[in-house]
Amino acid sequence: EDQVTQSPEALRLQEGESSSLNCSYTVSGLRGLFWYRQDPGKGPEFLFTLYSAGEEKEKERLKATLTKKESFLHITAPKPEDSATYLCAVQARDQAGTALIFGKGTTLSVSS
Amino acid sequence: DTAVSQTPKYLVTQMGNDKSIKCEQNLGHDTMYWYKQDSKKFLKIMFSYNNKELIINETVPNRFSPKSPDKAHLNLHINSLELGDSAVYFCASQRADNSPLHFGNGTRLTVT
Repeated sequence: EDQVTQSPEALRLQEGESSSLNCSYTVSGLRGLFWYRQDPGKGPEFLFTLYSAGEEKEKERLKATLTKKESFLHITAPKPEDSATYLCAVQARDQAGTALIFGKGTTLSVSS
Repeated sequence: DTAVSQTPKYLVTQMGNDKSIKCEQNLGHDTMYWYKQDSKKFLKIMFSYNNKELIINETVPNRFSPKSPDKAHLNLHINSLELGDSAVYFCASQRADNSPLHFGNGTRLTVT
């Protein structure tokens, strides 16, 4: 069964303290891995798509990387406005239709 | 301009009632989805429509019936509401296979 596991569930950082979020996946064949950010009371907001191992994407303080078993979302020198829940999702080769399978998310809190 | 809009944002109702949630997207996408997010923030696929045709119908009670009058709209009707239906329901749209999903801001359903 296709599965996505995110760790840690919650992460507290001081402003400027860099860290990484992990997303490990078990799928029959990965077609794409997606990172989203979700703020309270809002829908998930798209950040990155990664399609193959070794691929990296960057946006401001965020950098996403992908291996054959997992993806990392690196946060460099975070600010309080980076506080949110970060969701990882995969699209698998054997999936009917094109739906994404989501992990349970990592809730990040950055304090000043 | 809101890309994916859902109404209502909040819905409070009693057990046994029937209710509908509406979704519209102005992105010109062919595929639309309904996801359910439980109290632990876990997003789970319910239905997927491509150009008004049902593609994915996960294990969802048949009290839930999606309807797509045209490819820009996907509504969700729920009969005989139960306490366990309380959750946040998200509509999403997708331009093409393996491209990111764009989410609405959700409808928080509370069944009392």
